Amino acid sequence: SQELEQSPQSLIVQEGKNLTINCTSSKTLYGLYWYKQKYGEGLIFLMMLQKGGEEKSHEKITAKLDEKKQQSSLHITASQPSHAGIYLCGADFNTDKLIFGTGTRLQVFP
Amino acid sequence: DAGVIQSPRHEVTEMGQEVTLRCKPISGHDYLFWYRQTMMRGLELLIYFNNNVPIDDSGMPEDRFSAKMPNASFSTLKIQPSEPRDSAVYFCASRRAGVGIQYFGAGTRLSVL
Repeated sequence: SQELEQSPQSLIVQEGKNLTINCTSSKTLYGLYWYKQKYGEGLIFLMMLQKGGEEKSHEKITAKLDEKKQQSSLHITASQPSHAGIYLCGADFNTDKLIFGTGTRLQVFP
Repeated sequence: DAGVIQSPRHEVTEMGQEVTLRCKPISGHDYLFWYRQTMMRGLELLIYFNNNVPIDDSGMPEDRFSAKMPNASFSTLKIQPSEPRDSAVYFCASRRAGVGIQYFGAGTRLSVL
């Protein structure tokens, strides 16, 4: 969707390196949802952000929503092979549904 | 609690055949969503239901696609007749009213030959 841009499309990093994935909206976000997908599986919910400036962390993954509520980032610290997969952001524009970004394919090599 | 259950996990069929995908949402969830995922177009919303009523089917590609939700615990997505371009992974997701988090099933990988 042009309402939501996700970057980069793919990322290959060495184990132990940090990385950031971005999700940018053309409109104000009422909520931003991060999911992870492994090949052949469904999407697994990671984190939800709703307030401007909000930041949440789970293990080595941190997600932030900017003050203007139009951009979110997902940061992984000291990446591991278990972090590999496709990361998708889903935007709530104050409707019943989510609009998803195109996804970022992450590969982590030893 | 059981998550969203989809069946079959894999479906291989020939062009022109009818395909039916099934979904059992999480008990107590009011919303059910059907998505299609392809490399070219990513994750697209096809249709969603609220309390078993179709609310928005603007993502359904054409009349060959139809979806029903006869009760709160079951939904189907039907393609008739199927075409090779329908090959994709189809996901079902559900959520509770007032809570934005959607929970996804494992998906059905459809191959139309």
